[in-house]
Amino acid sequence: DVKVTQSSRYLVKRTGEKVFLECVQDMDHENMFWYRQDPGLGLRLIYFSYDVKMKEKGDIPEGYSVSREKKERFSLILESASTNQTSMYLCASSLEGQGTDEQYFGPGTRLTVT
Amino acid sequence: ILNVEQSPQSLHVQEGDSTNFTCSFPSSNFYALHWYRWETAKSPEALFVMTLNGDEKKKGRISATLNTKEGYSYLYIKGSQPEDSATYLCARSGNTGKLIFGQGTTLQVKP
Repeated sequence: DVKVTQSSRYLVKRTGEKVFLECVQDMDHENMFWYRQDPGLGLRLIYFSYDVKMKEKGDIPEGYSVSREKKERFSLILESASTNQTSMYLCASSLEGQGTDEQYFGPGTRLTVT
Repeated sequence: ILNVEQSPQSLHVQEGDSTNFTCSFPSSNFYALHWYRWETAKSPEALFVMTLNGDEKKKGRISATLNTKEGYSYLYIKGSQPEDSATYLCARSGNTGKLIFGQGTTLQVKP
């Protein structure tokens, strides 16, 4: 079974802090994704990566950056956390960059910025 | 339709009822349509990936149909059970693997 793990289930940070969210997948998937989920808005893509050290902006990249130094690990960085970044963050991976590939999701990190 | 839209936003049914919800998406440059189920405190899990107009997929009591010409997909649940309570997400993909999600339909099945 594909397993996608995220470093924390719940996280509370202060405004202005630098925040790292880590995601690890164990099935040698090429693609990895970061989403945020807010009530009534569905999942919105922040960034994705199709290879090590490669990244592309999603629909809402402002205020975020990412890092993929190893194939299995994809990190989301909030450079200076703000209250409007309070949200549920989900990581996902897929085998390749095919539109028919299903994505495998982690359990999510609920981040609260105070 | 510019975005992926799902309706209704939420649904409450009694155990044993059959139900269905809708996903609407831009029909131009269609590649694939995904359905995911997201249960509370769990990770979203893929239900179906559909590509062909007229496609129909089934998994137990859940089935889905696809109309790519008019840009919609229906998800049906026959004889709903409390364990079907979840948020159902649909997403449209291009050929790059990126998904554009709808806002989801939250189903609550009362025993």
